[in-house]
Amino acid sequence: DAGVIQSPRHEVTEMGQEVTLRCKPISGHDYLFWYRQTMMRGLELLIYFNNNVPIDDSGMPEDRFSAKMPNASFSTLKIQPSEPRDSAVYFCASSLTTYQPQHFGDGTRLSIL
Amino acid sequence: GNSVTQMEGPVTLSEEAFLTINCTYTATGYPSLFWYVQYPGEGLQLLLKATKADDKGSNKGFEATYRKETTSFHLEKGSVQVSDSAVYFCALMGDTGRRALTFGSGTRLQVQP
Repeated sequence: DAGVIQSPRHEVTEMGQEVTLRCKPISGHDYLFWYRQTMMRGLELLIYFNNNVPIDDSGMPEDRFSAKMPNASFSTLKIQPSEPRDSAVYFCASSLTTYQPQHFGDGTRLSIL
Repeated sequence: GNSVTQMEGPVTLSEEAFLTINCTYTATGYPSLFWYVQYPGEGLQLLLKATKADDKGSNKGFEATYRKETTSFHLEKGSVQVSDSAVYFCALMGDTGRRALTFGSGTRLQVQP
């Protein structure tokens, strides 16, 4: 079975540009999570969805960040405008239920110049 | 709130040495506990889990026992290999409220031949 698929794997862009990260969860998984990994703060939850509905977005750092899940097989995380401090690795994960383990994608390494 | 504390790394061992990575947690109720492993350039992979007190999770020679009395979930392996070199993350999911993982800061393991 295909795992969680994220794209792009790497993104380098200039500050002020819009950045869109994409995620395809494992088919049949009802929960989708977005995490951010930095050296300073480690792994942080940004937002998670249940059946395409955002449940908890308290980890989204500010209004420049937005996430959507238009259907069960696709989610996006947008940053507009981007800033250098947004540079990080962004992971998407999905799980069958809340009690099942989360499966992670390989991440998107984002560099904002 | 929930939190996870891991021992600082890097941990450097020779091949076939015994490994222990300490993990303690703070949470109310009965959280589920996990160890994830991250190889360079990849996402996190579930290594093992335990969902209730005294459960022992095991996989690929790694073990960890859920100790509620000491709020610990230490990772052990009897004989490490060079291929075990990676970053190891301890994590928990609470049994109420936010249905997402809280991660420790990660411990880098380096195994030398």
